[in-house]
Amino acid sequence: DVKVTQSSRYLVKRTGEKVFLECVQDMDHENMFWYRQDPGLGLRLIYFSYDVKMKEKGDIPEGYSVSREKKERFSLILESASTNQTSMYLCATLRPSRGGGYTFGSGTRLTVV
Amino acid sequence: RKEVEQDPGPFNVPEGATVAFNCTYSNSASQSFFWYRQDCRKEPKLLMSVYSSGNEDGRFTAQLNRASQYISLLIRDSKLSDSATYLCVVTVAAGNKLTFGGGTRVLVKP
Repeated sequence: DVKVTQSSRYLVKRTGEKVFLECVQDMDHENMFWYRQDPGLGLRLIYFSYDVKMKEKGDIPEGYSVSREKKERFSLILESASTNQTSMYLCATLRPSRGGGYTFGSGTRLTVV
Repeated sequence: RKEVEQDPGPFNVPEGATVAFNCTYSNSASQSFFWYRQDCRKEPKLLMSVYSSGNEDGRFTAQLNRASQYISLLIRDSKLSDSATYLCVVTVAAGNKLTFGGGTRVLVKP
């Protein structure tokens, strides 16, 4: 089974701090994604990457950036955290075969105070 | 209009009963379809892919209606452990980013 590991389960940061959310997968998948999930809004795509050093904006990239220096690691960066970035952040990798779906990490619940 | 829409529920289901719910999608070019299950405060997990001919996995049956642009999930003989939020997921092309519905909450009660 694919394992997707997010470095922190719960995180509390102050407004204006730079925040790094790390995600590591162990199955050599090329496609990796960052979502945030909020009540009433569902999962929304922030950024995704199809390969090393490659990144594409999702639906809500404002206030975020990403880094993919190695295939197994996809980092989400909040350059200057704000309270409206308080959310559950989910990293996922995508199986490349037909019928392949996402495997998610266990999520990071970020609170910005 | 949202790309993928679901009835948020909750669907209150007696244990042992059958429950079914739909998900509609707006992009007629959509190619791949999935149902995910998400338990409270946990990450979504793939329940099943949905194929054109429909498919079954134990007590779960998924159907695709391309003409009307919806997919459905039916759960037979509901168990208490089936209580969860069921997310409908659609992608336009294989390997492309997936678009999630808001989820349908199912509560199975004794």
